[in-house]
Amino acid sequence: DTGVSQNPRHKITKRGQNVTFRCDPISEHNRLYWYRQTLGQGPEFLTYFQNEAQLEKSRLLSDRFSAERPKGSFSTLEIQRTEQGDSAMYLCASSLGLAAGGEDTQYFGPGTRLTVL
Amino acid sequence: DQQVKQNSPSLSVQEGRISILNCDYTNSMFDYFLWYKKYPAEGPTFLISISSIKDKNEDGRFTVFLNKSAKHLSLHIVPSQPGDSAVYFCAATPVGDKLIFGTGTRLQVFP
Repeated sequence: DTGVSQNPRHKITKRGQNVTFRCDPISEHNRLYWYRQTLGQGPEFLTYFQNEAQLEKSRLLSDRFSAERPKGSFSTLEIQRTEQGDSAMYLCASSLGLAAGGEDTQYFGPGTRLTVL
Repeated sequence: DQQVKQNSPSLSVQEGRISILNCDYTNSMFDYFLWYKKYPAEGPTFLISISSIKDKNEDGRFTVFLNKSAKHLSLHIVPSQPGDSAVYFCAATPVGDKLIFGTGTRLQVFP
């Protein structure tokens, strides 16, 4: 399967703990995006990378959140000192970026469901 | 401010009939529009897209229409099938940028 993969699929943690999620994009995709989705809402943008460079971060991304894409392949999203409000589905997507021309479609992984107790 | 709006939270359609899902946007900078389908506990699955230079794009049972002057797009599914039951999200973006999603429409196709 050459789609976007995410691990773990589910994570339950206690408030105050740190958690880390991993995303493996489609292999030839240069762009990698992180989104967060809560119940009844559409996905909301968090941050994205062009290869290894982090190009934009949303105001939703507090100082407790950090994302990396060290070699321009997989990415990690870490949440420090988790809070109950961090409970959500964390989605990763990848795309070709500018190489796609005017139609750069983002393909999503299955998501990581985070529950903070 | 909500730049992409899906005003119908739910839609119920009989199998074999047409499903029409609507989406409105406010940002004139958007030039690429996408529809995603989502099942519970899964990530969104790309369905169909349209760029701002077109007013229609068709893929099998799915057709997306774009009316730039009205800042409105719609997804038509013909004929609807029970397997189409899911939440459908409209998304928009300036090319090569982050997606802005609507809040989704839950489609139920009944026999």
